[in-house]
Amino acid sequence: QVQLMQSGPEVKKTGSSVHVSCSASAGTFNNYAITWVRQAPGQGLEWMGRIIPILSESNYAQRFQGTVIFTADKSTSKAYMEVSSLRSEDTAVYYCATERLSMEQQRLIPKFVFDSWGPGTLITVSS
Amino acid sequence: ETVVTQSPDTLSLSPGETATLSCRASHSVGLNLAWYQQKPGQAPRLLIYAASTRATGVPARFSGSGSGTEFTLTISSLQSEDFAVYYCQQYETFGQGTKLEMK
Repeated sequence: QVQLMQSGPEVKKTGSSVHVSCSASAGTFNNYAITWVRQAPGQGLEWMGRIIPILSESNYAQRFQGTVIFTADKSTSKAYMEVSSLRSEDTAVYYCATERLSMEQQRLIPKFVFDSWGPGTLITVSS
Repeated sequence: ETVVTQSPDTLSLSPGETATLSCRASHSVGLNLAWYQQKPGQAPRLLIYAASTRATGVPARFSGSGSGTEFTLTISSLQSEDFAVYYCQQYETFGQGTKLEMK
């Protein structure tokens, strides 16, 4: 199984942007998508979207369209998430996780099964 | 968009007892359901996928069942380390979680 590491906590001002990195300390991303999930304090899990590094293809949950960008470097097995126009409601722990892919009719299909999770990155947004 | 509802919100049981957690989808998702365990300060951990398949390393006391819109996670003979929050997930939607607490 891939083991994931994430960048450290950050405190950001309202309206600014933040970058979070996710890297494989063991294994590679080649057989997975990297999915991003956030969790506000005391709240549940919210899927934000994913990137398939070997295809450089991303999908975004509707509510994050336009404010989140995923990128990845498959040669180094690193993935990145940029969240822009931060609001206080974006204060949360942000997790990356590997998501299974399957080959179906010559297409890579993400399966919404999140095997390995990073430890999470706390982003605090304040004015 | 699928709405996913878990019940109960909180379940109070003693070690050795059996926990039964439910998850309902607003429309049929076949077997596309996963369960995760989350302990305080930790990332979620995949327990079950495809409704009933245990993930690598998950003890046999965890079992999943169901299809369509109704799913169940059963934890038999509860151990102290099983007290946590459990989430079900259908595609991009997570349930609100069930907190399993020690009585």
